[in-house]
Amino acid sequence: NAGVMQNPRHLVRRRGQEARLRCSPMKGHSHVYWYRQLPEEGLKFMVYLQKENIIDESGMPKERFSAEFPKEGPSILRIQQVVRGDSAAYFCASSLTGTSISGANVLTFGAGSRLTVL
Amino acid sequence: AQSVAQPEDQVNVAEGNPLTVKCTYSVSGNPYLFWYVQYPNRGLQFLLKYITGDNLVKGSYGFEAEFNKSQTSFHLKKPSALVSDSALYFCAVRETRGGTYKYIFGTGTRLKVLA
Repeated sequence: NAGVMQNPRHLVRRRGQEARLRCSPMKGHSHVYWYRQLPEEGLKFMVYLQKENIIDESGMPKERFSAEFPKEGPSILRIQQVVRGDSAAYFCASSLTGTSISGANVLTFGAGSRLTVL
Repeated sequence: AQSVAQPEDQVNVAEGNPLTVKCTYSVSGNPYLFWYVQYPNRGLQFLLKYITGDNLVKGSYGFEAEFNKSQTSFHLKKPSALVSDSALYFCAVRETRGGTYKYIFGTGTRLKVLA
């Protein structure tokens, strides 16, 4: 079990370009969460997805940001027309269904994708 | 809304001494509380969780946390700190709303263990 896989690990974009970050959850995990970590700040929730559904996107900026988790393939966090303020580490985490089953409720994180906008 | 607070940005402790990293929570209903650790340039790793049951929860790497309902706290502790424990520690709470779940993290506490 390879864990949560994120790619690319590092991404450099110029202002106005698009950034696509990918996340493959742990095998058997059906819930995916995206978080943003700015330097010297904590983790900010962005979006929570299940297969083919966005469950909670209350932490996503209303413009330029979108996320999907298709039936097949990884979850994608897409940032259009990037600006310098988008520079951050973006972490994906996955979990089992949120029941009281032992092992559930625990998020497994990927190593993160570090976006730098020039 | 559920939330957690980590009042200390940084905690310094000498190797071999006990350590405490503080966390307080604000939830409605029964809290689901977690501690995670982040090493440089890595993702977060799960340490321990409180769902129900004993107030003292034991986790990975010799860490434990004490759930205190009256003080709404969930402090992380270790009897004897190691230099390798130096990292960024996050407290988190699971927020349940309408059958969906969201995990809210604190701002993090940087632990520095001095040799």
